[in-house]
Amino acid sequence: KNEVEQSPQNLTAQEGEFITINCSYSVGISALHWLQQHPGGGIVSLFMLSSGKKKHGRLIATINIQEKHSSLHITASHPRDSAVYICAVIKPETSGSRLTFGEGTQLTVNP
Amino acid sequence: EAQVTQNPRYLITVTGKKLTVTCSQNMNHEYMSWYRQDPGLGLRQIYYSMNVEATDKGDVPEGYKVSRKEKRNFPLILESPSPNQTSLYFCASSPDRPSYNEQFFGPGTRLTVL
Repeated sequence: KNEVEQSPQNLTAQEGEFITINCSYSVGISALHWLQQHPGGGIVSLFMLSSGKKKHGRLIATINIQEKHSSLHITASHPRDSAVYICAVIKPETSGSRLTFGEGTQLTVNP
Repeated sequence: EAQVTQNPRYLITVTGKKLTVTCSQNMNHEYMSWYRQDPGLGLRQIYYSMNVEATDKGDVPEGYKVSRKEKRNFPLILESPSPNQTSLYFCASSPDRPSYNEQFFGPGTRLTVL
């Protein structure tokens, strides 16, 4: 079983919908990253979280350390949000240096 | 412009022919790392470097070498490439280790080993 599991694997939404992507992990972590991979392949970091909640524009990321779960929310989704969203965790025993990734969630937003 | 650059972007080579993929960042970042991405396996970390002359193994280091002689450069060396190293490779950097900072990714290098 992977240490980092994302759900759903694939998600199709209509423009304007509220979207939630989930990340569950089975190990203790010191931080969690959310990444966005564009259709062309480029990867952009969206958030780095160690507790609580962060917001950037229409994106909101939350983490519950006790439940070993993080969510990425997209409000008022748009076709340009279509991408693969990847969760990655950092385990404290790696001195904060190594990332373990989920397999990603493919999001398609239709106009 | 602040960026991470990788070269080449695309490479087709043959088994056993040594190759180097270069990675350079212009942000004075301490931390640099290499990842490979494969269908069904996602991203996996190959090697990372906390600073000049400080490198360490990630999850899949076999068949790869790295060096960090200068802060800005972190080349990935495949001494004897094999077909199972066909993959999409990303270099990334951050001011400090990823438990403290978001990472900046290069554009990726698509490698095919025949």
